[in-house]
Amino acid sequence: KQEVTQIPAALSVPEGENLVLNCSFTDSAIYNLQWFRQDPGKGLTSLLLIQSSQREQTSGRLNASLDKSSGRSTLYIAASQPGDSATYLCAVKPGAGSYQLTFGKGTKLSVIP
Amino acid sequence: DVKVTQSSRYLVKRTGEKVFLECVQDMDHENMFWYRQDPGLGLRLIYFSYDVKMKEKGDIPEGYSVSREKKERFSLILESASTNQTSMYLCASSLPLTGLGSPLHFGNGTRLTVT
Repeated sequence: KQEVTQIPAALSVPEGENLVLNCSFTDSAIYNLQWFRQDPGKGLTSLLLIQSSQREQTSGRLNASLDKSSGRSTLYIAASQPGDSATYLCAVKPGAGSYQLTFGKGTKLSVIP
Repeated sequence: DVKVTQSSRYLVKRTGEKVFLECVQDMDHENMFWYRQDPGLGLRLIYFSYDVKMKEKGDIPEGYSVSREKKERFSLILESASTNQTSMYLCASSLPLTGLGSPLHFGNGTRLTVT
């Protein structure tokens, strides 16, 4: 059974710092991996989706990488801002024919002004 | 932009009541999902639907049912609400499985409290 782990559970950084969030998964046979952001009391917002054949995806200050063989993905946030404070979750899709995603429990990021 | 709208942000219901949670999406997505999110347990899939009138059980379907009579609307029904169904409920939608894989788009959630 696929398991997705995000460590640390919480992270606090000063504004302006570059940071990396980690996501690891136990079964490397994934179809894609998606990163989400969740603000308190709200739903999830999709940030980046990486297909299994890709190594990375970029959107603005965000860069997500994928290393299937080692079962790892990272989300790099450049020049962090207080508005980046949120919980970040990753989710993997096991196969093209599967509807179900397996989610990590998230990393709660606080960017201190 | 895809918009997934959940009809209520907060609901308070009594034990034993029948509860309806409604979700509407405006992007003609075939797939729709209901998750619940609890501290320490993360997101767990309750039910999903890949077409009108089609539904599949997720990981925790017990105590729930769903209805999809129209493509844009997916309802979650708690037949007889219990206190252990107090949770944040999240609806999501996506395009079909064909192609490169479609991102999942979520609504803002319904915080349900059962007393």
